[in-house]
Amino acid sequence: DGGITQSPKYLFRKEGQNVTLSCEQNLNHDAMYWYRQDPGQGLRLIYYSQIVNDFQKGDIAEGYSVSREKKESFPLTVTSAQKNPTAFYLCASRTGGYGYTFGSGTRLTVV
Amino acid sequence: RKEVEQDPGPFNVPEGATVAFNCTYSNSASQSFFWYRQDCRKEPKLLMSVYSSGNEDGRFTAQLNRASQYISLLIRDSKLSDSATYLCVVNSGGGADGLTFGKGTHLIIQP
Repeated sequence: DGGITQSPKYLFRKEGQNVTLSCEQNLNHDAMYWYRQDPGQGLRLIYYSQIVNDFQKGDIAEGYSVSREKKESFPLTVTSAQKNPTAFYLCASRTGGYGYTFGSGTRLTVV
Repeated sequence: RKEVEQDPGPFNVPEGATVAFNCTYSNSASQSFFWYRQDCRKEPKLLMSVYSSGNEDGRFTAQLNRASQYISLLIRDSKLSDSATYLCVVNSGGGADGLTFGKGTHLIIQP
């Protein structure tokens, strides 16, 4: 079945460490997105990509980086510059005017 | 004014009752609208798209009022399993992305 796979499900980061969250989709969707969700808050857009080798900053891109070398993959790196990275990270994809399909998310915690 | 606004609730509703909640949006050029359901600590899942003529899917009915710039979701014969947070999503078509999420309405169905 087609879908979006995020890994890992849970991730623990030490202070000053970079970590990478994986997002893979087999839906043949052109556009992919990364969102961050904090408790009781809405989704906030970090980065998005509408085509391979191109991506755009969202509303809260500082401290994050992405790449889009393949249509299927859109990994997110949380760098040490992100001072408050503990959150629920959601990857999504879409095509045309339809709504998003989300992955199951990664919970990142700073230890 | 926030782009997409929802009453956060919680709405406490007895099982079997009918419940409705609205979502207002600020951009009159918005083109497409969706309702998503998010269970606790899970990813959002598309519940239904909202069409200009309104649409119904089983116990769920979605309506769009362009003049007043709101969409609504009606749930009839509510079930315990309907307990979740319902996110309103609006596509304003601006820039390369344009999808804006509301913070969600928390619904609790009580036995």
